[in-house]
Amino acid sequence: AQSVAQPEDQVNVAEGNPLTVKCTYSVSGNPYLFWYVQYPNRGLQFLLKYITGDNLVKGSYGFEAEFNKSQTSFHLKKPSALVSDSALYFCGAAGNKLTFGGGTRVLVKP
Amino acid sequence: SQTIHQWPATLVQPVGSPLSLECTVEGTSNPNLYWYRQAAGRGLQLLFYSVGIGQISSEVPQNLSASRPQDRQFILSSKKLLLSDSGFYLCAWKQGYRETQYFGPGTRLLVL
Repeated sequence: AQSVAQPEDQVNVAEGNPLTVKCTYSVSGNPYLFWYVQYPNRGLQFLLKYITGDNLVKGSYGFEAEFNKSQTSFHLKKPSALVSDSALYFCGAAGNKLTFGGGTRVLVKP
Repeated sequence: SQTIHQWPATLVQPVGSPLSLECTVEGTSNPNLYWYRQAAGRGLQLLFYSVGIGQISSEVPQNLSASRPQDRQFILSSKKLLLSDSGFYLCAWKQGYRETQYFGPGTRLLVL
């Protein structure tokens, strides 16, 4: 069975500083990995995905994620965080169903 | 382009009353459809998924049920709501095995 872990419940960062949200996965075969963002009382919005190819994936709103096969990680990054990036972030691994991590709340302080 | 709709957006229901939440997808055919529940603004719990009309897989045994009467329509129901059914219900779709999954705007359910 596949699983996804987000080890941090919350990440606090100052505006303008780099933002990293951690994700590790356990899947059989080739992993297909996703990141989503959720703002209050809204559905999840797709940010980016890794299917194959370059380990560094670029997505929406300046976010990127780095796939690391040896560490089974897929951390989400943004070079310079904005206050508007404050939200709940979910990592997922795909098969017939999408398995999600527990979510990480990001708080960007001005 | 594809869009996904959920209604109602918000619902307040008494304990013991029935429930029907609807989700429809436009602009695609034969999608995989999913119902999730999110409690306390946190983790997502997959409730049901469907790979075709009349095909429903249940992930968690509970007093909820799902149906797919048409290709792009997915309904979540209950005969008698419990307090614990309160939460944010999200519908989602995707086209294939490892394709991107897209979410609807959600329904906030409060059971009193």
